[in-house]
Amino acid sequence: AQSVAQPEDQVNVAEGNPLTVKCTYSVSGNPYLFWYVQYPNRGLQFLLKYITGDNLVKGSYGFEAEFNKSQTSFHLKKPSALVSDSALYFCAVRAYTDKLIFGTGTRLQVFP
Amino acid sequence: EADIYQTPRYLVIGTGKKITLECSQTMGHDKMYWYQQDPGMELHLIHYSYGVNSTEKGDLSSESTVSRIRTEHFPLTLESARPSHTSQYLCASSAPGGGMAFFGQGTRLTVV
Repeated sequence: AQSVAQPEDQVNVAEGNPLTVKCTYSVSGNPYLFWYVQYPNRGLQFLLKYITGDNLVKGSYGFEAEFNKSQTSFHLKKPSALVSDSALYFCAVRAYTDKLIFGTGTRLQVFP
Repeated sequence: EADIYQTPRYLVIGTGKKITLECSQTMGHDKMYWYQQDPGMELHLIHYSYGVNSTEKGDLSSESTVSRIRTEHFPLTLESARPSHTSQYLCASSAPGGGMAFFGQGTRLTVV
């Protein structure tokens, strides 16, 4: 069965510092991987996706993610965090069933 | 801006009432999904559809039902609301080929 794990409930980082939000996955076959962000009282917004190609994927708002097949990971990164990046971040995987399965979410808090 | 709409945004309703949460998209997507989001934040897939007259139960058991009579419309119904149904409900749609999913703004349901 396909699954996604986000091991950290919350990540705290100072503004201007690099940030990483971790995600690992388990899926049969080649995965389609996604990152979404959710601001308070809003739906989810797409950040970036990996389907094939370069392992480093660039997305919206300066975010990027690195696909690592051997470690089955797809960590979200940003070189310099902003206070406005504070939100909930969800990793998701889609496999052959076409169901989109989400991780448990990670709350990112960026402090001024 | 995603063309997927959910109504109402907020709903407070008494126990035992029948309710229908509306979800419509204008992108012509075949795949549509309903997620239930815990107060804590975790997203659970409760229903999905691959197209007209196709509906499937998701990974989390739900007393709600769905229908897909038209491509653009994927309503969710609770025949008899209970306080345990209090949650946020998110609707999404996606194009074929493993593409990203677009989310509505969500309906926050409170059953009193």
